[in-house]
Amino acid sequence: DQQVKQNSPSLSVQEGRISILNCDYTNSMFDYFLWYKKYPAEGPTFLISISSIKDKNEDGRFTVFLNKSAKHLSLHIVPSQPGDSAVYFCAASRPSRAETSGSRLTFGEGTQLTVNP
Amino acid sequence: NAGVTQTPKFQVLKTGQSMTLQCAQDMNHNSMYWYRQDPGMGLRLIYYSASEGTTDKGEVPNGYNVSRLNKREFSLRLESAAPSQTSVYFCASSLGGGNTIYFGEGSWLTVV
Repeated sequence: DQQVKQNSPSLSVQEGRISILNCDYTNSMFDYFLWYKKYPAEGPTFLISISSIKDKNEDGRFTVFLNKSAKHLSLHIVPSQPGDSAVYFCAASRPSRAETSGSRLTFGEGTQLTVNP
Repeated sequence: NAGVTQTPKFQVLKTGQSMTLQCAQDMNHNSMYWYRQDPGMGLRLIYYSASEGTTDKGEVPNGYNVSRLNKREFSLRLESAAPSQTSVYFCASSLGGGNTIYFGEGSWLTVV
């Protein structure tokens, strides 16, 4: 049962244009969502997150939108740059705020973004 | 800034052999994790340690054991490696629940 799903395995955009990466989830208990970026032969690195009490979070060129009723989130990158070419993973977690409870993230399959010069 | 360090980076095993993946973090995090990444499947949680002295199963624990040696170190052991365990393994850590998880650079394991 894939609780977090990224339906597009790949996306190709031109430099300077907007990249939109999508993610859907099925578990209504998820309340915290994250995007990770992964270059080949490296570990995933944290990009941006959003809590379920918000519908938008922005950090520079990166904006994450959350639509709770549709159980859908998206990552917008504007403007896209060739250095943004990587695999992007969407992840979600259930409420777990205690310092000794751990953060069990459920990941999507990933979307390979290619930004062409 | 070392962050999360895992060794070895590459390993080839024969079916039935055993090995241990080592992981250490220097961020004074309470929680540590082991994930595996397979093509088209994202990252799946094998085991985690919410705090020193505790370990719990994740989504895909079969064939693995873990040890939280101290607050800094969390090892993953394959007792009898199988070809299905060919994967990229990532160790990670977080301050605790509800916090961002930080990943190591990965360990490429091939079981032949």
